[in-house]
Amino acid sequence: NFMLTQPHSVSESPGKTVTISCTGSSGSIASNYVQWYQQRPGSAPTTVIYEDNQRPSGVPDRFSGSIDSSSNSASLTISGLKTEDEADYYCQSYDSSNKAVFGGGTQLTVL
Amino acid sequence: EVQLVESGGGLVQPGGSLRLSCAASGFTFSSYEMNWVRQAPGKGLEWVSYISSSGSTIYYADSVKGRFTISRDNAKNSLYLQMNSLRAEDTAVYYCAVLVPAARSNWFDPWGQGTLVTVSS
Repeated sequence: NFMLTQPHSVSESPGKTVTISCTGSSGSIASNYVQWYQQRPGSAPTTVIYEDNQRPSGVPDRFSGSIDSSSNSASLTISGLKTEDEADYYCQSYDSSNKAVFGGGTQLTVL
Repeated sequence: EVQLVESGGGLVQPGGSLRLSCAASGFTFSSYEMNWVRQAPGKGLEWVSYISSSGSTIYYADSVKGRFTISRDNAKNSLYLQMNSLRAEDTAVYYCAVLVPAARSNWFDPWGQGTLVTVSS
């Protein structure tokens, strides 16, 4: 079964840049697009990146996404960190049966 | 304003059944594919089920296949999840989510606020 693996947690200081990785278990992560969702405590997820590197309207350009085929991974980069960015972040893609797959989530602490 | 409101969650004994509903408003519900996604307490997101806009195509996660049934009523702008033979591991917040068709892929947006299902004796 296709799986997406994320680091359990990352932390960084306000104003800095942080990158969260999402590694595919098999095949090529580049063969299906990756989305990233932000979930603040007690709230439903919201989309911050879709189709690898596209931002929905209203998401600041401090959020960016990329794909690295050599490591079979996707990355979410947040620059100019703000305390309001503190949340859980989930990557999501699709398996060979076109069923959605989520990564385990990464807890971002901004301290 | 696009809105999704889930209901029907609660406490149920193992082996029991529950039917979740998701009331949609603010968009043309009948034009969009829909999904259920769940989140166990303190855990990550798990996709549960998908239904096409007409209801003709349905997918399930292996963990719920044969026990859960997704359906929709486009006349009532509503999505449903019938859950049977419930297990303790089905305990989670259940979210309904719209599947947005983008140029090259699909993504979940928006999500409802979720309804909590607790399976316990």
